Amino acid sequence: AQSVSQHNHHVILSEAASLELGCNYSYGGTVNLFWYVQYPGQHLQLLLKYFSGDPLVKGIKGFEAEFIKSKFSFNLRKPSVQWSDTAEYFCAVTRSGTASKLTFGTGTRLQVTL
Amino acid sequence: DAGVIQSPRHEVTEMGQEVTLRCKPISGHNSLFWYRQTMMRGLELLIYFNNNVPIDDSGMPEDRFSAKMPNASFSTLKIQPSEPRDSAVYFCASSWRQASGNSPLHFGNGTRLTVT
Repeated sequence: AQSVSQHNHHVILSEAASLELGCNYSYGGTVNLFWYVQYPGQHLQLLLKYFSGDPLVKGIKGFEAEFIKSKFSFNLRKPSVQWSDTAEYFCAVTRSGTASKLTFGTGTRLQVTL
Repeated sequence: DAGVIQSPRHEVTEMGQEVTLRCKPISGHNSLFWYRQTMMRGLELLIYFNNNVPIDDSGMPEDRFSAKMPNASFSTLKIQPSEPRDSAVYFCASSWRQASGNSPLHFGNGTRLTVT
């Protein structure tokens, strides 16, 4: 079964700082990859997704993620964070070619200070 | 589109009581998922349905938990009897599940359950 690791549990940044959140998955086959965001008190919302093609994926609110197959990674990046980006970020994976369930990482809590 | 609708938003109950959480998926979606979120364990998949049929319930903690999906527009998650360790936020999500597995999930606002 696939699994997802997010090594950064809590990240604190000042506004305008650059962000990179790590995500690694363990599955040898082809995967679909997702980043979800959960703002305080709200439900999870899709930030971006990778299925195939260009490994650099752009999502909403200036976020992007790069799929590096050789490293089994799908790190999330943003050049300049805003206070409103304070939230919890979840990486998730599902196996391609099957209607399989989505497996989430444990999440990274991002706190952006003014 | 109203999105995934869950009720109630908050539930406070005493240990031993029965709790029923409800979910209405997005119309047209054929897969429904129940997740539990806690500080200690993060997001855990409890069970998911495809075309109203339970596909994988390996995440259901124990026999006290049960889930049903009597039709394409409604699902329930029941805990009987409830225990304090069941306190968590329970999310329902739905998607148009394709064989490619690349459909994102759409989440409801969750039910915050507190068992005292």
